[in-house]
Amino acid sequence: QVQLQQSGAELVKPGASVKLSCKASGYTFTSYYMYWVKQRPGQGLEWIGEINPSNGGTNFNEKFKSKATLTVDKSSSTAYMQLSSLTSEDSAVYYCTRGGNRFDYWGQGTTLTVSS
Amino acid sequence: DIQMTQSSSYLSVSLGGRVTITCKASDHINNWLAWYQQKPGNAPRLLISGATSLETGVPSRFSGSGSGKDYTLSITSLQTEDVATYYCQQYWSTPYTFGGGTKLEIK
Repeated sequence: QVQLQQSGAELVKPGASVKLSCKASGYTFTSYYMYWVKQRPGQGLEWIGEINPSNGGTNFNEKFKSKATLTVDKSSSTAYMQLSSLTSEDSAVYYCTRGGNRFDYWGQGTTLTVSS
Repeated sequence: DIQMTQSSSYLSVSLGGRVTITCKASDHINNWLAWYQQKPGNAPRLLISGATSLETGVPSRFSGSGSGKDYTLSITSLQTEDVATYYCQQYWSTPYTFGGGTKLEIK
């Protein structure tokens, strides 16, 4: 069965960077794009961007272009998202999700808290 | 960017009743529309894609309809486990965008 296992909760200081991971299993990793979605507490969902695991090609929501970096490690079927220059506005749950445009499988989410 | 508007942020419906959640896109999205269900503390779950196609394992009391800019999610015979927030999403063009969500509660 398809599973996306995300890394654990993070508490980081303002101005720092953090790298979140999403390990895929149960399907051919390179056959599906991986997407990342942000959800602030009590808020809706925002699409951050996507990565094509077969060639590393990325596409971003303009809002997150200078904030997020997406990479993959094909050998371990793991996708990564690095977030830089963190502020309190980056405190949120971040989801990785697989699909061919619509998001059919989701990770459990990683809670990021930015606080001094 | 295509804006997705869910007109009701909150709905209260009787157990066993029927509810319709609406979603309007700011531009035509050619039925590239998905509906998700999210329960507190959980990731969203895909219910419907292509505006009308029910995902495997989703109860048949859920259905989707619409075209052009206007879409609806209907739930018949409302069950307690349907209490959740429902989001629409367009995947016609990037940035993919979501509606603001409709929180469904039992009256």
